[in-house]
Amino acid sequence: RKEVEQDPGPFNVPEGATVAFNCTYSNSASQSFFWYRQDCRKEPKLLMSVYSSGNEDGRFTAQLNRASQYISLLIRDSKLSDSATYLCVVIPAWYGGSQGNLIFGKGTKLSVKP
Amino acid sequence: EPEVTQTPSHQVTQMGQEVILRCVPISNHLYFYWYRQILGQKVEFLVSFYNNEISEKSEIFDDQFSVERPDGSNFTLKIRSTKLEDSAMYFCASSPGGGGGRDYTFGSGTRLTVV
Repeated sequence: RKEVEQDPGPFNVPEGATVAFNCTYSNSASQSFFWYRQDCRKEPKLLMSVYSSGNEDGRFTAQLNRASQYISLLIRDSKLSDSATYLCVVIPAWYGGSQGNLIFGKGTKLSVKP
Repeated sequence: EPEVTQTPSHQVTQMGQEVILRCVPISNHLYFYWYRQILGQKVEFLVSFYNNEISEKSEIFDDQFSVERPDGSNFTLKIRSTKLEDSAMYFCASSPGGGGGRDYTFGSGTRLTVV
């Protein structure tokens, strides 16, 4: 079973649409959860952390369900500039003094059209 | 805004040759990482480095790979004898630590092409 699984898409949506991405992770001991954004041939950039209580940053809302090992990202009022690949990222566990490495999903491609 | 710098941006090498990818992490960061991304695939963890030694490494990071922090500012990834399947984007990252993973900064990457 893959560690972090995402629907690869692509999601093609019109400007102003609401779009939701889902992700599941296999390691129930995972500690930290994130959504990253990656533009074509660029480095991943942190979009937002994900907390069990749910968190919002402007048009973006992230949710974590630890019982189901499920993470979601909702983008409201999509902009052309939101076109990118959205990566679900998990830190599997902390041990000792380790910072913990990032485990990436393959990403979901979003294309927002005028 | 401080950034992680990687050089070169693109390197072409012949199979069997050694390559060294260079990174300058953010100056007050304590943790350093290499990740790679084969075209069309996910970003994969290679190795993390802390206090002048490897703290974690993945199955990908075999004896062909090594890392070094030669002078207190650079952080290098060496591939001893490149294979075609080493062709990928290699990202360096650094973090100050204590941020629970929220404080990673990635460099813009080195595209390695093995021919």
